[in-house]
Amino acid sequence: KAGVTQTPRYLIKTRGQQVTLSCSPISGHRSVSWYQQTPGQGLQFLFEYFSETQRNKGNFPGRFSGRQFSNSRSEMNVSTLELGDSALYLCASREIVGSDEQFFGPGTRLTVL
Amino acid sequence: QKEVEQDPGPLSVPEGAIVSLNCTYSNSAFQYFMWYRQYSRKGPELLMYTYSSGNKEDGRFTAQVDKSSKYISLFIRDSQPSDSATYLCAMSGASGGGADGLTFGKGTHLIIQP
Repeated sequence: KAGVTQTPRYLIKTRGQQVTLSCSPISGHRSVSWYQQTPGQGLQFLFEYFSETQRNKGNFPGRFSGRQFSNSRSEMNVSTLELGDSALYLCASREIVGSDEQFFGPGTRLTVL
Repeated sequence: QKEVEQDPGPLSVPEGAIVSLNCTYSNSAFQYFMWYRQYSRKGPELLMYTYSSGNKEDGRFTAQVDKSSKYISLFIRDSQPSDSATYLCAMSGASGGGADGLTFGKGTHLIIQP
C-alpha cells in the first residue's frame, strides 16, 4: 500500500495570505489527523477528521480549519498567515478512530515571510 | 510546565552502545505511551506502543513506563549509525489519542558515531 502523501512538500507564502495543504491517507484509512511541528513547541495536535466530520480540535485559533472529503482525503487551510505559522505540517492517518497506530506523511514545510 | 518534558540533546554515542532516552510528564490521565522515530525530512514512524505501566521489548528496542514516577524510557541496544534520528515520546489518555490527540515531547536528537 502506498503511504500517506502530502502536497505540496514545500510552500512559501507571505503574511496575510492564506494556504491550503492536502493529505491523502493510506487506502482504507478513514481517520486523518493534522499536527503542527515547530522547533519551539514540538508536535502539536491541530484536529482530527473521520467520515467527513471533525471529531476533535486542538488549541489553535480559528484561522486554522480543515475538511475531509468522501474519499477520506483531507485538506487544511490557514487564513491570514502569520510569521509564527511557519512550521512542518504533518498529516497522520489510521484505519479507524481509536486504533493505536497513526501513520504519518512526510509533511508540508510552510515558510511565511 | 509543559505536559511532556524531553531532553532535546543532541545525544552522541559510539556505535554498539546502549542508548537511554527518557521523558517525564505531568498529566496523570495519560495511559497510552508511544515512541516515534523521525528521520530528517520525514514524518514520524511508530517504534513502540505501551499501555499503562510495564516493559515492552521489540528486537533491539525496549520501552519502559513507570506511571508512579510519571517517567518513560526507550532503550536501544547495540546501537547502529542507522539509528541516528530524532526520537519523540508521545502519550494520551485514550487509545489513539482521544479528544486531545497525542501529546508529544519535543524530541531527542540522537547521533550514533561509527
